[in-house]
Amino acid sequence: AQSVTQPDIHITVSEGASLELRCNYSYGATPYLFWYVQSPGQGLQLLLKYFSGDTLVQGIKGFEAEFKRSQSSFNLRKPSVHWSDAAEYFCAVARMDSSYKLIFGSGTRLLVRP
Amino acid sequence: EPEVTQTPSHQVTQMGQEVILRCVPISNHLYFYWYRQILGQKVEFLVSFYNNEISEKSEIFDDQFSVERPDGSNFTLKIRSTKLEDSAMYFCASSAGRGLDEQFFGPGTRLTVL
Repeated sequence: AQSVTQPDIHITVSEGASLELRCNYSYGATPYLFWYVQSPGQGLQLLLKYFSGDTLVQGIKGFEAEFKRSQSSFNLRKPSVHWSDAAEYFCAVARMDSSYKLIFGSGTRLLVRP
Repeated sequence: EPEVTQTPSHQVTQMGQEVILRCVPISNHLYFYWYRQILGQKVEFLVSFYNNEISEKSEIFDDQFSVERPDGSNFTLKIRSTKLEDSAMYFCASSAGRGLDEQFFGPGTRLTVL
């Protein structure tokens, strides 16, 4: 069965510091991977997605993610965090069946120290 | 920018009562989804809907749940007889096409069952 694991429940970084949020997936076929961000009171917003090709994917708001098949990982990175990046981040894999439903990880809450 | 909207933002109901959660997907989208997130847990897929019928439903989506697109713009989730364990944030999402088109999420409806 497909699953997504985000091992870090909370991460705190200082503003201006670099960030890496971890995501590991379990999926039998070629995975289709996503990162979503949820700010308080907001819906889920897509940051970036990986389907195939270049394993380093660029997204919105200065985020990038790298797909590593050998490690079953799709970690999200940002070189310099801004206070407005404080939010909850969800990694997800799409099921390649009739509905392409998303299977989410449990999320990582990012706190940014001034 | 087009967005998915959901009403109400918060619904409080008594156990055993029926509730209807409403969503207005993005106007040219064809695929519709409901997800839910119990407090402190993962975002979970409930149901997908295309061409006026359910394309997939999860084991959570039992006979107490139903979905409808009554008028070509709204997409509703009905819970016939709510239980305490139905308390959660319910997210509606829509996408333009199948496969890997981005699913756009609404801000959610927080359902509290007393």
